[in-house]
Amino acid sequence: DQQVKQNSPSLSVQEGRISILNCDYTNSMFDYFLWYKKYPAEGPTFLISISSIKDKNEDGRFTVFLNKSAKHLSLHIVPSQPGDSAVYFCAASGNSGGSNYKLTFGKGTLLTVNP
Amino acid sequence: KAGVTQTPRYLIKTRGQQVTLSCSPISGHRSVSWYQQTPGQGLQFLFEYFSETQRNKGNFPGRFSGRQFSNSRSEMNVSTLELGDSALYLCASSFGGDKNIQYFGAGTRLSVL
Repeated sequence: DQQVKQNSPSLSVQEGRISILNCDYTNSMFDYFLWYKKYPAEGPTFLISISSIKDKNEDGRFTVFLNKSAKHLSLHIVPSQPGDSAVYFCAASGNSGGSNYKLTFGKGTLLTVNP
Repeated sequence: KAGVTQTPRYLIKTRGQQVTLSCSPISGHRSVSWYQQTPGQGLQFLFEYFSETQRNKGNFPGRFSGRQFSNSRSEMNVSTLELGDSALYLCASSFGGDKNIQYFGAGTRLSVL
């Protein structure tokens, strides 16, 4: 079963507007969440993370929101730039139950930012 | 500071052969994790090593194995290759505690013919 889900395979946004990427999870043991960006033929690049004790974390143009009761997190990119065009992965880890020391990934969302 | 280095970048093998992939972590990182990326299954966890000990393992057959050396460098081995093993194999390193960010290498693209 898929414990981390990114239900939108793709998203297209105009340059300068906001990009919102969504992620849902099912495993209650997850307590740390990360977003990675991936270009073709490269490894994933870390963007931003959030611990379950927080509901928001911000780093420059990137903000991650966590709604624990809904088991939902989102990544906001403001303003979006053409260089942000990539596949974005949501990942989660826990502290027990076999979910520690590993990342469980969603299948990714392809973001295209149009000039 | 050098990033995670994976060698080789590309590899072509035939069914039944075995292969060894190498990963050098970021200096100071003691944890190395391995992931397989395929178009159908996405990124899937293979195993994680810390101080030469495997701490967690994913749902892969025993043909997939790994090890870590005292300098934290890691290798993974796949024996009796199958066509379905064709994938991008990614290595990630971290300090190894809870809530540590994993930093990824560029990966090894394995093609099994």
